[in-house]
Amino acid sequence: NAGVMQNPRHLVRRRGQEARLRCSPMKGHSHVYWYRQLPEEGLKFMVYLQKENIIDESGMPKERFSAEFPKEGPSILRIQQVVRGDSAAYFCASSPGLGTYEQYFGPGTRLTVT
Amino acid sequence: QKEVEQDPGPLSVPEGAIVSLNCTYSNSAFQYFMWYRQYSRKGPELLMYTYSSGNKEDGRFTAQVDKSSKYISLFIRDSQPSDSATYLCAMTWVSGSARQLTFGSGTQLTVLP
Repeated sequence: NAGVMQNPRHLVRRRGQEARLRCSPMKGHSHVYWYRQLPEEGLKFMVYLQKENIIDESGMPKERFSAEFPKEGPSILRIQQVVRGDSAAYFCASSPGLGTYEQYFGPGTRLTVT
Repeated sequence: QKEVEQDPGPLSVPEGAIVSLNCTYSNSAFQYFMWYRQYSRKGPELLMYTYSSGNKEDGRFTAQVDKSSKYISLFIRDSQPSDSATYLCAMTWVSGSARQLTFGSGTQLTVLP
């Protein structure tokens, strides 16, 4: 059973470009979460999605960041007009659904903004 | 005050030692607790999860929860060099639709051969 998959693993963008990070949850999991880990800081929640729905985006920066989890295909975290402060590791996690709370993490995408 | 406080370490122990990792929390709404292990430049790996106060054992790992004191621990018996990693506690509440995990800052553990 494949785990959570994320790609790309490493992404380099110049300031002002767009970054698209993709996440495929574990088989049978319908809930997806995105977290950010800044250098020397802990993991911070960004957004929680189910298929075609954003459930909780309370941790998402108000501007330039968006997320989606379409009916078909992976979840996408999109960062527009990236700035140096966006450089971080972005992790996706998934869980089976209602009644369960443990989350399983992917390997992460390391974004570097130059 | 952070919602979740975790001893940052670093912690260095000899192989075979018993390791105790701890977190305290301030939000009594937290009801579900997890421990993750994260190797350098890798994703967090779920080790243990528990809902109840008391102890839960899985192999060399024991998770302990004391909700009255808002204190959780992870014990590692017979520690191995391969246990060298950063250990993260995480917790969430179980009402409503929210499922976000709140993490401690992590404890860096080194087990010396």
